[in-house]
This record gives sequence, structure tokens and C-alpha cells, in this order.
Amino acid sequence: DTAVSQTPKYLVTQMGNDKSIKCEQNLGHDTMYWYKQDSKKFLKIMFSYNNKELIINETVPNRFSPKSPDKAHLNLHINSLELGDSAVYFCASQEGLISGNTIYFGEGSWLTVV
Amino acid sequence: AQSVAQPEDQVNVAEGNPLTVKCTYSVSGNPYLFWYVQYPNRGLQFLLKYITGDNLVKGSYGFEAEFNKSQTSFHLKKPSALVSDSALYFCAVRGLSGSARQLTFGSGTQLTVLP
Repeated sequence: DTAVSQTPKYLVTQMGNDKSIKCEQNLGHDTMYWYKQDSKKFLKIMFSYNNKELIINETVPNRFSPKSPDKAHLNLHINSLELGDSAVYFCASQEGLISGNTIYFGEGSWLTVV
Repeated sequence: AQSVAQPEDQVNVAEGNPLTVKCTYSVSGNPYLFWYVQYPNRGLQFLLKYITGDNLVKGSYGFEAEFNKSQTSFHLKKPSALVSDSALYFCAVRGLSGSARQLTFGSGTQLTVLP
């Protein structure tokens, strides 16, 4: 069973469209994250939720809106997609907020904006 | 602000030889250090971590890493490389509290094991 699962894995869409990426974890964790990996493979945190509450919101355009309906799910909605949004988006989760706990990542969602 | 440096973009090693992927870090207070591996078109897989205790940490697939506080390093090692170890390796650091708890990644090192 996949621990952190994301859908879709691949998404090609036109500029200006709105799209969502869904994430679910079956690890029983209460903290979830979205990370962005750019074309140079650099990874940067975007958002973090703990028990459905937003705790980290990095400098991300407000076109990006995360939503956590429950602690096992963290979805990412992107409005008015731009070419620069093309990247790989990783969902991740961990137990609690302790720094020593391991963060587990999903397989990634490859977004291409044309 | 905390940071991680992986000074080598690319490491090539022959199969059967030992491999080292270098990592140095900067963080306020005691560090929590992690290594992840990314295979092509796949997600990040956790390899190992240092929290406290023994400076030599053993992880998945025969990998190990040595924490060196004085040199602020956490190099990844394996005694005998396999072709299947070829992948992109990321070192990452977290601090104890506040914004330092964010997982900060290095730029990654592409490991190629030659048959």
C-alpha cells in the first residue's frame, strides 16, 4: 500500500487554467506538507498543515491555495496557471511536529503548463 | 537561516568501489540531518537520519552516514557501490524550533555508478 499518494502523477494544461492536485496519506500522521521541485531539482517547502491547521505558508503566490479537509488529506489548488508553475509538486507527511521525526514523501505530480 | 551544501553536482564511481556523497550544513543549535534518494521520475525515498547518539548512522540499502559536529558535515557512504544506486541524492537539515523545523534541502548530487 502506498503511504503517501498523489493524483494525478502527470498533468499537462494550458496557461490560465485552474487545476488541483490531491494528496492522501494512510500513515496516521497529523502533519502534511507540499514541496515544489523546480527544473534544477531544487526542493522548497510551500505549505505545512498540522491537524488541518495551516502552520507554514512560505512566500507562495496566492494563486496557490491548499485545503485540508481532514488530517489525512492535503490538496493543492492552483488558479490561473502560469508557465513558471511548471514543476514537480511533492506531498509529504510526518507524525507530529518534532524535527527528529521523518518526513515521508509521495511519488510527485509532474505539472507542465503550456 | 539554515542551509545545506552539497559541493558536488555529480559523483561517478565504478561498481564495487566505495562511494561518498558530501554534505555540510549550517543550523542554529543541534541539527537533525537526513538523506533522501530520488530515482528518475520517482518521489523522494528516506535513507537515514541523525538525531542524536552514535555519529555513524546506518540506513537503507547498505548506506551509512557519519555526523561530524566540528566539521558540520554529514557525508553519505557505502562500502561497495551498485549500478542500481545511480540516482539523485539529497541531504537535508532541520533545527529544533520555530522556522528552523522546516526541512531544508541541499541542491542534490547525481550519483552514477559505472558497470
